[in-house]
Parts: sequence; C-alpha cells; structure tokens
Amino acid sequence: GAGVSQTPSNKVTEKGKYVELRCDPISGHTALYWYRQSLGQGPEFLIYFQGTGAADDSGLPNDRFFAVRPEGSVSTLKIQRTERGDSAVYLCASSLSAGTGVNYGYTFGSGTRLTVV
Amino acid sequence: AQRVTQPEKLLSVFKGAPVELKCNYSYSGSPELFWYVQYSRQRLQLLLRHISRESIKGFTADLNKGETSFHLKKPFAQEEDSAMYYCALRSGGSNYKLTFGKGTLLTVNP
Repeated sequence: GAGVSQTPSNKVTEKGKYVELRCDPISGHTALYWYRQSLGQGPEFLIYFQGTGAADDSGLPNDRFFAVRPEGSVSTLKIQRTERGDSAVYLCASSLSAGTGVNYGYTFGSGTRLTVV
Repeated sequence: AQRVTQPEKLLSVFKGAPVELKCNYSYSGSPELFWYVQYSRQRLQLLLRHISRESIKGFTADLNKGETSFHLKKPFAQEEDSAMYYCALRSGGSNYKLTFGKGTLLTVNP
C-alpha cells in the first residue's frame, strides 16, 4: 500500500483480556518495527522483524507480549492478560531494509491507541 | 546505554521569532541523529537527519559531538510549525533501533 496501515486505530479492552494489533507495512519493505508510546513519553522500541523472523525482541516488556510476521508482510502484535499499564499508542514502522543512510528511513503508521479499563 | 534528552517539554514563541529545540544525547560510539515531527492528528514523520546536512521547512540541525548535542533551529517560526518534535538517535552497532527523547511541544503564537 501507499503507507503503513495499522488497525484498529482505537481499541478499548477490559483488564485481563487478549488483544491483537495489526500492522500492514509498505509493499516491499522487509524491515518492520513495533514501538510503544506511553503518555508524555517518546516512542520506545519493542521488536524488529527482518522478513519473517524477529531479529530483535529485546524491547518486549514481558512474556505477555508477542509478535508475528508469518509471511514477511503483515505483522500482528499480541498482548495477553492485558493490564492497565499496557495502555499506550502502539506504533508500527517499516523500512526497505535495516541499515544506515537515506534509503533506510522509517515510515510510521498512525498507531493503535490501546486503552485497558 | 544510549539516551536522548530533550530538556523542554513545552516551548512557546511568537510568529517570526527564532526557535531552538534542544536535544542532547549520550552514546559512546558514532551516532546517527534525527528529528521527527508530529503535527496535530497526523502520524510521526521524519523532519531531518544529520547525515543529510539539509534544511527542511527552514529547520536546520547541526551535530556537535563535543557537546553531544543536536539542537533544531529555525530563524523565523511560523504558526504551521506548531507540533510535537522528537529527537532520536540510531546507534552504529544496531542500526535499526531508534532511541527517542520525550519530545518538545512547540507552539507558535500569532
């Protein structure tokens, strides 16, 4: 597609429920990233995919968080047993590949605002 | 560990006044620095990067390795510059991960 698409744009869920957040990157972008932005903070890295594999998941806060990208395109961030502290905007970004230089800039999606009540 | 500090949460100036948004970083290697901007109800987008040494929308930023700073400057602010600005660092070793500051909300008053 023309840009990075994230769905849903807003999600309200009850504490303890399971949620899935979807990211559809720019066609042809092999690198995909998830970030989380809490209120009053800058985005914080969660996980990076190169193709289908998670090359770096060091930013995932705990084992309730998991992400997949089975066909190297769309990615889903999954959160189990949600807690109120998980409330944040979850941002997805993609790039042609991972690296330095002009050709490896990120394009961000609009984000999913998750509210756990 | 790398860190990006934006000391001002809020910055308010009048139209036509100079503006400087401060950014300091902590990183032992050779970093790549960026400024991202988020206008109201829009997605986060790249404003400029230090390796390009470019001016975008009248903004410039110079990497000062001695002071570990990457301040964003514009000589004459416009109302349409009002937005949230984030400074970000990408390390040379793990060159995919961005570390962001907490952001500065710039308001340009008429």
